[in-house]
Amino acid sequence: GEEVAQTPKHLVRGEGQKAKLYCAPIKGHSYVFWYQQVLKNEFKFLISFQNENVFDETGMPKERFSAKCLPNSPCSLEIQATKLEDSAVYFCASSQSAGGTYEQYFGPGTRLTVT
Amino acid sequence: DQQVKQNSPSLSVQEGRISILNCDYTNSMFDYFLWYKKYPAEGPTFLISISSIKDKNEDGRFTVFLNKSAKHLSLHIVPSQPGDSAVYFCAASGNQFYFGTGTSLTVIP
Repeated sequence: GEEVAQTPKHLVRGEGQKAKLYCAPIKGHSYVFWYQQVLKNEFKFLISFQNENVFDETGMPKERFSAKCLPNSPCSLEIQATKLEDSAVYFCASSQSAGGTYEQYFGPGTRLTVT
Repeated sequence: DQQVKQNSPSLSVQEGRISILNCDYTNSMFDYFLWYKKYPAEGPTFLISISSIKDKNEDGRFTVFLNKSAKHLSLHIVPSQPGDSAVYFCAASGNQFYFGTGTSLTVIP
């Protein structure tokens, strides 16, 4: 597609439940990025993929968070046993490159609320 | 540690005037800089970028200036329009993207 698609738009989970978010990158983009926006204006990098391979996971919490990008499937970000502090907007972005002179194109985000 | 900083959380400008948004960075290895615009409940949209080999890039009403020695970039919007009211993020590209914390611009009609 021509836009990054993210589903669902909103997700509400009770503390301790699992949350799974999905992202379909722009067709032809081989890099996918996940960001967490907790405070209103701060983006925290979580993980990036080059096709189905993890490219950079330096921002990924060691516990409870996992992500995948499998061929012919949307990418996913999964949080096991959610905590209140996981409440945030999660943005996915895609790009032709991990850095250099290529911009990242963002999806509309998934708002996760943990109650 | 915040490698990209936007020290002004908000800015108000009269319609028709110039808006100047500022951004500072700490890592001299960054080679590409971008500005994104974000409306509420939407994802950031790419606005304009500049390579580290340039000091200015212009696109219509938007101009980005880069001062490498000062590790500073700025976005100029002229003339400002009410539709420009949004949160603006600067970003720097190294091995990953680093985002500033945003400046909320309000253009007053």
